[in-house]
Amino acid sequence: DVKVTQSSRYLVKRTGEKVFLECVQDMDHENMFWYRQDPGLGLRLIYFSYDVKMKEKGDIPEGYSVSREKKERFSLILESASTNQTSMYLCASKESHSYNSPLHFGNGTRLTVT
Amino acid sequence: GDSVTQMEGPVTLSEEAFLTINCTYTATGYPSLFWYVQYPGEGLQLLLKATKADDKGSNKGFEATYRKETTSFHLEKGSVQVSDSAVYFCALSEGGGADGLTFGKGTHLIIQP
Repeated sequence: DVKVTQSSRYLVKRTGEKVFLECVQDMDHENMFWYRQDPGLGLRLIYFSYDVKMKEKGDIPEGYSVSREKKERFSLILESASTNQTSMYLCASKESHSYNSPLHFGNGTRLTVT
Repeated sequence: GDSVTQMEGPVTLSEEAFLTINCTYTATGYPSLFWYVQYPGEGLQLLLKATKADDKGSNKGFEATYRKETTSFHLEKGSVQVSDSAVYFCALSEGGGADGLTFGKGTHLIIQP
């Protein structure tokens, strides 16, 4: 089975801090994604990557950046955390460019910015 | 652009009741359609999928049929259990595939014993 691991289940950070959310997948997938999940809004795509060092903006990239130095690892960075970035963050990976392939999700990181 | 609309929740049912969660979509082409489930404290898991019109996806007693004429992909189960309590997401994928899925807002299902 595909395993997508997010390094933290819960994080509490202060406004203005730089925050790193880490995600690792073990199935050599090319494509990786970061979503945020908020009540009433569902899942919204922040950034995705289809190869090492490649990244594309999703629907809500403002206030975020990403890093993919190795194929298995995709990091989400909040340069200066703000309270409106309090959310559940979900990382996912996908095995190919086929649109039939499902996403495999990690268990999520619940971030609170105070 | 693409969009997915799901019925609002929470949906509360008694154990062994029949379940339907409605999902309709808007897409320019011929998307693949998915249902994901999220149990408390966990990430999303793929429940079932269908890749072309009239396909039926099924898993764990859940079914959904890809209806192109009504642009729908309703989730059904004949007899729900307390363990089915979760949030259910309908999603679609279209285009090159590298840009992920478009999700509905999710439907919270509560099954009472």
